Order: sequence, then structure tokens, then C-alpha cells
Amino acid sequence: SYELTQPPSVSVSPGQTARITCSGDALPKQYAYWYQQKPGQAPVLVIYKDSERPSGIPERFSGSSSGTIVTLTISGVQAEDEADYYCQSTDSSGTYTVVFGGGTKLTVL
Amino acid sequence: EVQLVQSGAEVKKPGESLKISCKGSGYSFTIYWIAWVRQMPGKGLEWMGIIYPGDSDTRYSPSFQGQVTISADESISTAYVQWSSLKASDTAMYYCARRDASTTDDAFDIWGQGTMVTVSS
Repeated sequence: SYELTQPPSVSVSPGQTARITCSGDALPKQYAYWYQQKPGQAPVLVIYKDSERPSGIPERFSGSSSGTIVTLTISGVQAEDEADYYCQSTDSSGTYTVVFGGGTKLTVL
Repeated sequence: EVQLVQSGAEVKKPGESLKISCKGSGYSFTIYWIAWVRQMPGKGLEWMGIIYPGDSDTRYSPSFQGQVTISADESISTAYVQWSSLKASDTAMYYCARRDASTTDDAFDIWGQGTMVTVSS
């Protein structure tokens, strides 16, 4: 079955840049999406179509794609950005199958 | 305001049945797919399946096919997921989410608040 691979954890100091990667064989052909989940809350969409930002999401959140790897970048990290981040995509087999990455815990030191 | 409001927390015994709900408001419920996502305690997000309320077209994750039934009642803008015989391993938070095929090109742009299901003898 199709899988998306994320690092379990990333740590940065306030004001620094955090980069969270997500790798998957179908990512060159399928869009990736990123969700932020804070403790006790539902996920929130922060990036869609690899690099687009929904309205209301701060400009410090950005996304990029290169081959089989997509990256969520948070510039000038703030304490409030501490959360779990999940990438999501679909497989390219033709049947609609949604896949989430395992999630990355972002710790703001 | 566009929102999905889910039914409240449930505590059930193994072997019991359960149906939880997700009510949409503030948009045309019938033309957006609704997905269900499981999150076991301390774990990540798992896609269970998705339904198009307009015609009840339903797709399941292979991991959940045969384990749950997803349905919708467009007349009351509500989607459901149900279990016929719960197991302790079904203990989890369950989220519904709207798939937006237009503005965000198939992202899950709106999420319900979650329904906690606890299965324990």
C-alpha cells in the first residue's frame, strides 16, 4: 500500500525556520496537503496543492515540491506553531485512496 | 459560517453497535464529499472512507472496508459512520472532514470537532 514518510520530530528555536519533509513515490503526480493539529483540537489545513496557502493562514507557512519530496516550511517560528503536522495525498493507482503521513511533532525550544 | 458539527462522545461495550453523525451547515451539503478519519490515542490520522451525499457514492480505505459503514442523509445534511459490533481497538477519536474539489483542489478544508468513541467492558 502507498505510504507517505515524515520525520517523527523537528525542533527549532523561536524565530528560526522549520522544515518538515514528506516523501512518497506518487508525489510527482499527486498534490500534497498539510494539516496542523494542536493538542485536543481538530486538524487545520495550512497548505494545499503543494504550495498554496488558505485564507487566514499566516504567510510564514509555505510549501514546496521537488520530485518525490514535499516540504512544509515555517519561517520565523513562533511558540504557537508547536503542533503535530501531517502531510496528505492520494495514490496514483486510479482508485481514490487517501493517505496521511505519520505526522511530525514540531517542538519550539 | 461553514461548519461540521459532530455528535457527542460515546462509551460502549465490546460487541455493541454504534452510529455517529456529522452535520454540515453554511454550505450546500450535497455537492461536497465528506470523509471520515480515525485517530487512535496518541497516534496519527487514518483515512477511513468518503461519501458523496448527493448520490451516496462511497469509497472505503482497504483497512476499513467491511469494518464500518458510511452513509449520508442529504435531507438533513448529515453523514454517518456506523459499527455493527464494536471492538476495544475501535477506541479512538473520529473526525469528519469536507473535501473541497474546487477552491483547494481536493483538500480537506473543513473539519468537525471530533467524536471520541471509547469501547471498554
